[in-house]
Amino acid sequence: GAGVSQSPRYKVTKRGQDVALRCDPISGHVSLYWYRQALGQGPEFLTYFNYEAQQDKSGLPNDRFSAERPEGSISTLTIQRTEQRDSAMYRCASSLGPFEWEAFFGQGTRLTVV
Amino acid sequence: TQLLEQSPQFLSIQEGENLTVYCNSSSVFSSLQWYRQEPGEGPVLLVTVVTGGEVKKLKRLTFQFGDARKDSSLHITAAQPGDTGLYLCAGAGSGGGADGLTFGKGTHLIIQP
Repeated sequence: GAGVSQSPRYKVTKRGQDVALRCDPISGHVSLYWYRQALGQGPEFLTYFNYEAQQDKSGLPNDRFSAERPEGSISTLTIQRTEQRDSAMYRCASSLGPFEWEAFFGQGTRLTVV
Repeated sequence: TQLLEQSPQFLSIQEGENLTVYCNSSSVFSSLQWYRQEPGEGPVLLVTVVTGGEVKKLKRLTFQFGDARKDSSLHITAAQPGDTGLYLCAGAGSGGGADGLTFGKGTHLIIQP
């Protein structure tokens, strides 16, 4: 695709349910980032992949959060047993490679936990 | 954890005025980026600065990377309403792009006509 694609755009889920958020990066981009962004704030780093390898997951808030990128392309961010505090915009970005600093962002998934 | 502090958090000025926003850290970055984000959209890259002391110009926007590569500034000359948005700085760690980008909390800029 022409840009980073995230789905769904909006997700409303009940507390305690699991959710899976998908990111389809720009074709050929090696690096993929997940961020969480509160309204009016800058993106907060969650995790980062080069190809299928998860390079850094230090930003994941707790063990309910996990991410994978099994074939080095599409990535899934999974939140288990969702809580209201998980409500946020989740953004994915990709870049050509680990030393290519321009990150292209998707439009995000707005998660609301009720 | 590398922290980036941006100031001011909010800035509202009249069209035609000049302004400067700042991005500061106690950490050294291999590069620093400035993004602009509009409501409902993802951040879009404006510029990347790599060398200490580097100055880059993008029309009415001037970006500077500090000599020690710990801070940066964005100066806008003759601001226009179209400059309104959330301006974010982001640093890449000493591992180059191998580390995740760390973002500041942003500066909300409003240019009033």
